Amino acid sequence: DTGVSQDPRHKITKRGQNVTFRCDPISEHNRLYWYRQTLGQGPEFLTYFQNEAQLEKSRLLSDRFSAERPKGSFSTLEIQRTEQGDSAMYLCASSSDRFYEQYFGPGTRLTVT
Amino acid sequence: GESVGLHLPTLSVQEGDNSIINCAYSNSASDYFIWYKQESGKGPQFIIDIRSNMDKRQGQRVTVLLNKTVKHLSLQIAATQPGDSAVYFCAESPGGGADGLTFGKGTHLIIQP
Repeated sequence: DTGVSQDPRHKITKRGQNVTFRCDPISEHNRLYWYRQTLGQGPEFLTYFQNEAQLEKSRLLSDRFSAERPKGSFSTLEIQRTEQGDSAMYLCASSSDRFYEQYFGPGTRLTVT
Repeated sequence: GESVGLHLPTLSVQEGDNSIINCAYSNSASDYFIWYKQESGKGPQFIIDIRSNMDKRQGQRVTVLLNKTVKHLSLQIAATQPGDSAVYFCAESPGGGADGLTFGKGTHLIIQP
């Protein structure tokens, strides 16, 4: 499978715990995006990387959220001190500099209890 | 703030008929638009995109129309099939697609047998 992959697919955590999600983009894509989607809504942009550089962060990305892409390949999204409002689907997408179509992974569904 | 929205939350069509899904956008700086299809429990799937220097673009069974005068985008699906049942999102970008996308809320397309 050469598409975008995300791990884990589902995560249940208790409020106050930290969680980390991983995204592996399509291999030749140098741009990587994180979005959050709640039930019945469209995805909301969080942040994106070009190679290892984080170029843009949404105001939705609070101080409890941090994203990294240290080697310009896979990326991680960490949420510290999770809150019930963090429950959502976290989507990753990737694209190339030549063709800007963003291709999405299957998402990680986070449930904070 | 400026955002992308959809006119109808649910659209029901007969199998074999053509479907038209509409989208209104308000960011006059947007120059890149994409339609995505999302099935339950999956990430958004790229359907077709269009840049602001075009009015129409065709793909396999799909056509996207862009009317910049009234800031309107539409997706036409020809000869709808049961597999077309999904939620459809339009998304826009003022950065040519290189930056984060702004999504609308989605239209749920239901195909009646």
